[in-house]
Amino acid sequence: SQQGEEDPQALSIQEGENATMNCSYKTSINNLQWYRQNSGRGLVHLILIRSNEREKHSGRLRVTLDTSKKSSSLLITASRAADTASYFCAPFNNNDMRFGAGTRLTVKP
Amino acid sequence: GAVVSQHPSWVICKSGTSVKIECRSLDFQATTMFWYRQFPKQSLMLMATSNEGSKATYEQGVEKDKFLINHASLTLSTLTVTSAHPEDSSFYICSARKGGGVGEKLFFGSGTQLSVL
Repeated sequence: SQQGEEDPQALSIQEGENATMNCSYKTSINNLQWYRQNSGRGLVHLILIRSNEREKHSGRLRVTLDTSKKSSSLLITASRAADTASYFCAPFNNNDMRFGAGTRLTVKP
Repeated sequence: GAVVSQHPSWVICKSGTSVKIECRSLDFQATTMFWYRQFPKQSLMLMATSNEGSKATYEQGVEKDKFLINHASLTLSTLTVTSAHPEDSSFYICSARKGGGVGEKLFFGSGTQLSVL
């Protein structure tokens, strides 16, 4: 099965700082997706990057993908307290997508 | 947009009873829906893939007779936890894939917190 592994497991920063989360996976992918989960809620799709893309932006989000290293990173710039949540990467391949343990981001006001 | 409604949001039941959780795609047709289980501060564990009009595909270690999944229409999938026990207490989440495209993003329900007494 295809599962992403996020790093770090937990990250605590001050409001206004940037937050970087990393994801590694093991096999080839069609695309890689990042999701966010607020405590006790479902997941919300943030961004999808295809295997032939290297970087993608969406608002304050920047995602990179390095297929040679089988890794991806999610950068949240100018973080806000409302960004506090768990973030999951989901590598997708052959109709199989699994979630890792996620990175728990805390943004302190 | 694409909205997935999951109901109920929380349920408390006695040990031995059955609980049904509904997952509806409100504004799109979902040929495939997924059911997950999540323990506190842990990842989502995929339980099964639900395909409209056919039997669900269960992940290894998930008892299909205990977790009954029915995907009767393109907008509704249900998960029934039969003869629930305290160890079944968990957060259950469904997701749906919009359209027929494989590999596109998923839309999630808001989850159901099940507590079995």
